[in-house]
Amino acid sequence: EPEVTQTPSHQVTQMGQEVILRCVPISNHLYFYWYRQILGQKVEFLVSFYNNEISEKSEIFDDQFSVERPDGSNFTLKIRSTKLEDSAMYFCASTGTGADIQYFGAGTRLSVL
Amino acid sequence: DQQVKQNSPSLSVQEGRISILNCDYTNSMFDYFLWYKKYPAEGPTFLISISSIKDKNEDGRFTVFLNKSAKHLSLHIVPSQPGDSAVYFCASKNQAGTALIFGKGTTLSVSS
Repeated sequence: EPEVTQTPSHQVTQMGQEVILRCVPISNHLYFYWYRQILGQKVEFLVSFYNNEISEKSEIFDDQFSVERPDGSNFTLKIRSTKLEDSAMYFCASTGTGADIQYFGAGTRLSVL
Repeated sequence: DQQVKQNSPSLSVQEGRISILNCDYTNSMFDYFLWYKKYPAEGPTFLISISSIKDKNEDGRFTVFLNKSAKHLSLHIVPSQPGDSAVYFCASKNQAGTALIFGKGTTLSVSS
């Protein structure tokens, strides 16, 4: 069964460093998303991406964040200068054309020290 | 601001019995609702969904009920199995948007 793949599973970084989280969405999907879940809190929407541009973003997705689809398969989330409060699980999701069901990857745990 | 609320953090049920998980929402613009299941160290897995034009959707042991006037939905699992033990998230979206708005989740424990 096709699945969303995220790498790495765990990323440890120092405060102020840049990190790139990577995702390979399901191959024929066209809509891509990033969510995060801070420990003990709910899953929160960050950004959605379609046709090489951002469709929607939340107030969490400030100038420190950016997304890119560098090639036909990868979808990345970059955090320019990490803060302690960026420590969370980051989930990538994707959706096919006209569908509302978002399929999630296993997540990347980001630990900012 | 909690647009999607799951007021029960946990639920314990015996194997074979019915599990009922509840979810309330405040935004009347929401028109599509989903339930996801999540095991530790995994991402949310889609379980079942319902559009606002329906009041019930069934898939095997899982049934979702939607009460639009009360802005309430529930997930019924019958019969419950130990493998159903997981965190269950209710999520909502509106037709114009792309974002899923999640509740905090309910941890279901099914004992044999």
